[in-house]
Amino acid sequence: QSVLTQPPSASGTPGQRVTISCSGSSSNIGSNTVNWYQQLPGTAPKLLVYSNIQRPSGVPDRFSGSKSGTSASLAISGLRPEDEADYYCAAWDDSVNAVYVFGTGTKVTVL
Amino acid sequence: QVQLQESGPGLVKPSETLSLTCTVSGGSIDTYYWSWIRQPPGKELEWIGYIHYSGSTNYNPSLKSRVAISVDMSKNQFSLRVSSATAADTAVYYCARSSYGDHFLIFDPWGQGTLVTVSS
Repeated sequence: QSVLTQPPSASGTPGQRVTISCSGSSSNIGSNTVNWYQQLPGTAPKLLVYSNIQRPSGVPDRFSGSKSGTSASLAISGLRPEDEADYYCAAWDDSVNAVYVFGTGTKVTVL
Repeated sequence: QVQLQESGPGLVKPSETLSLTCTVSGGSIDTYYWSWIRQPPGKELEWIGYIHYSGSTNYNPSLKSRVAISVDMSKNQFSLRVSSATAADTAVYYCARSSYGDHFLIFDPWGQGTLVTVSS
């Protein structure tokens, strides 16, 4: 089980705002930057947010990341049907043996 | 625009070595770092390791004893070998271009992934 904990699911209706949390510790989120990946059904993950708050070119500004202490969040505003996907946070974990870890994943459903 | 494509056997017998290759097109492999990530069916993503074109590597400690990543600059490819495969190694394997620095590691873009099943 990952050291980065996410809620297994989140949902909303089109146009709503949905927030996904990623809870970690001082050895990962507390001391390293967080990235977010979107995995549409049956496809490879895609970089959505990097360095806590930055969006790669082409990613809509409806997606925004934030970090505070040992937790991070991804917000999706103006939810659209095509946002239905799995979302993963990720960060380095520096405890004992450094390892890059992904979160447990959150399935977002558009109702 | 850089594209990555995984290739290799889809079925591996237990105790044998799982071998995959990632071919990079649209860009040179002699920049960036290059990573392997896997995802068991229905489960979360797991970082396997990365290689720099210079040959330096870094592996997930949980897999380090069984994993080797290598690079072939003449073919613009990098490869993964996982020895002593078990059913627990059954997963979709992804390759990805990686940006690495103090406190960060970013995967972008990713290959489409290839399913490897370990079974007799």
